[in-house]
Amino acid sequence: AQSVTQLGSHVSVSEGALVLLRCNYSSSVPPYLFWYVQYPNQGLQLLLKYTSAATLVKGINGFEAEFKKSETSFHLTKPSAHMSDAAEYFCAVSGRSGTYKYIFGTGTRLKVLA
Amino acid sequence: DTAVSQTPKYLVTQMGNDKSIKCEQNLGHDTMYWYKQDSKKFLKIMFSYNNKELIINETVPNRFSPKSPDKAHLNLHINSLELGDSAVYFCASSQGYSGSDTQYFGPGTRLTVL
Repeated sequence: AQSVTQLGSHVSVSEGALVLLRCNYSSSVPPYLFWYVQYPNQGLQLLLKYTSAATLVKGINGFEAEFKKSETSFHLTKPSAHMSDAAEYFCAVSGRSGTYKYIFGTGTRLKVLA
Repeated sequence: DTAVSQTPKYLVTQMGNDKSIKCEQNLGHDTMYWYKQDSKKFLKIMFSYNNKELIINETVPNRFSPKSPDKAHLNLHINSLELGDSAVYFCASSQGYSGSDTQYFGPGTRLTVL
């Protein structure tokens, strides 16, 4: 069975500092991986996804993530945090066969300090 | 134009009542989903329909019944509401039914059962 683990339910960074949100996956074969962002009282919006075309994936709003098979990780980064990045971030995994459903991590709340 | 819309946005009701949440997508997608997000922000899939056919039916009480009158609509009917049903319910859609498909989420319906 597939799963994702997001380390750190809350992360605080200063404005302008590096953002690093961690996601590790468990899967018998390389899965598809996604990062979504949820702003307060809104639905989820896709930031980026990994579908095996390239291990370094660039997304919207300056975010990127790198798929590392040896570490079973798909961490999300942004070089310089902005106040508008404050939100809940979800990592999700989906399989390449069988039932194609997203399995979400428990989320990481990012706080950006002025 | 809203891609995935849900009505109502808020729903407050008494235990034992029956209620429905409606979802519509104007993206021309073939697959639609219902998710439940609990108070700890944990997201879990409930149902999925592809071309009006039920393809995912997670371990959900049979008080929950999805209905897809056409590809653009997926409604969720809940009978005999319980306190534990209080959550935010998200509808989503994707172009097809594969692990790499991006899912587009609606704004959510916050259900409060008193």
